[in-house]
Amino acid sequence: QVQLVQSGAEVKQPGASVKVSCQASGYTFVNYYIHWVRQAPGHGLEWVGVINPSGGGTSYAQKLQGRVTMTRDTSTGTVYMELSSLRSDDTAIYYCARDQGWRAFDIWGQGTMVTVSS
Amino acid sequence: EIVLTQSPGTLSLSPGERATLSCRASQSVSSSYLAWYQQRPGQAPRLLIYGTSSRATGIPDRFSGSGSGTDFTLTITRLEPEDFAVYYCQQYGSSLGTFGPGTKVDIK
Repeated sequence: QVQLVQSGAEVKQPGASVKVSCQASGYTFVNYYIHWVRQAPGHGLEWVGVINPSGGGTSYAQKLQGRVTMTRDTSTGTVYMELSSLRSDDTAIYYCARDQGWRAFDIWGQGTMVTVSS
Repeated sequence: EIVLTQSPGTLSLSPGERATLSCRASQSVSSSYLAWYQQRPGQAPRLLIYGTSSRATGIPDRFSGSGSGTDFTLTITRLEPEDFAVYYCQQYGSSLGTFGPGTKVDIK
């Protein structure tokens, strides 16, 4: 079936970097954009950015520009989201989600908890 | 960046009642790129509506969306017990996406 499977939880110190993976299966990987969305504990959803798995083009939320990088590996059907210079307010569940073509997200990964703490 | 505002923050209703949720944008949004999601505790969001008014696969017809420009609405005609959750609107424009802060629909 169509699914996105994410890597496991991470605990990082402030100032470090984290790289979260999202592996797609059950559909043609290069045909659908992948977005990343995060949710801090007890808070709402925040759009992080998007990658086009076909050409690799990206767009990022303005507040994360310069700290976030999204890449993909077409041989394994995996996208990656790397966030650097981590701060405590980056603590959140990070979700990858498939864009069904109308910039709406129909398939979601299970989420990856990233905790930033000293 | 387009800012989305949702109202009310919390909606307290009984099963069987009608829910009307509002999403207002700081500037005009493409109707093609306005979506609604439901999120239950401990779960990932679920797509309900895309393109302002199209129901996603498997979404019951008690959910409907409408609107244009800067004002959009999600309507749930008869609340079922499983509909008590948080609802988010989301838009995409100029290569940037944003979500609203959410409306919690809880049991009165």
